[in-house]
Amino acid sequence: SQQGEEDPQALSIQEGENATMNCSYKTSINNLQWYRQNSGRGLVHLILIRSNEREKHSGRLRVTLDTSKKSSSLLITASRAADTASYFCATDQNSGYSTLTFGKGTMLLVSP
Amino acid sequence: GAGVSQTPSNKVTEKGKYVELRCDPISGHTALYWYRQSLGQGPEFLIYFQGTGAADDSGLPNDRFFAVRPEGSVSTLKIQRTERGDSAVYLCASSFTGTGSYNEQFFGPGTRLTVL
Repeated sequence: SQQGEEDPQALSIQEGENATMNCSYKTSINNLQWYRQNSGRGLVHLILIRSNEREKHSGRLRVTLDTSKKSSSLLITASRAADTASYFCATDQNSGYSTLTFGKGTMLLVSP
Repeated sequence: GAGVSQTPSNKVTEKGKYVELRCDPISGHTALYWYRQSLGQGPEFLIYFQGTGAADDSGLPNDRFFAVRPEGSVSTLKIQRTERGDSAVYLCASSFTGTGSYNEQFFGPGTRLTVL
């Protein structure tokens, strides 16, 4: 079953604009991770935020986590056409070992 | 350092046939995972190996699905009597330990299985 729900399902923006994607989940987590997927194939790990962290940055990426609301957001600043992809949040729940539970993803289209 | 590799990249089979999908994890990674991704969905967990043993196979949909990792490295996902509903991209991932609060999983490119 899917734990996370990304919002929006699809997002279309122009190059240079910022893109914000949101993720909500249902159960307590150990950490939350964001992945990118191009053309429905391999997933690329973008960033991991632990349950005791509230914000994390990596290059043009900014992730926030609000465990009280069970939600996270991914912000991509100054987007580029190459950012066009599907983005998934995945939660790592407190089960003693790690198996990821993914949402359905947000399809981002960045037009030149 | 090679990443996770999966073979074949595409597999077309007929309903009722048996298929094997192979995953080569990153060298030294003890944890290995299989996920299945249907069109328009996120990946769904199938099975997790810690070393040679299946630590969690709760995601396997039924007993037609089986996976092995006999030497703690390469893993094979086996599907018997394939059905059209098995059509999906099968993703493999590996991580260094499988535990801890910073457990990044590295994914392979996937095998696209089509059952006609």
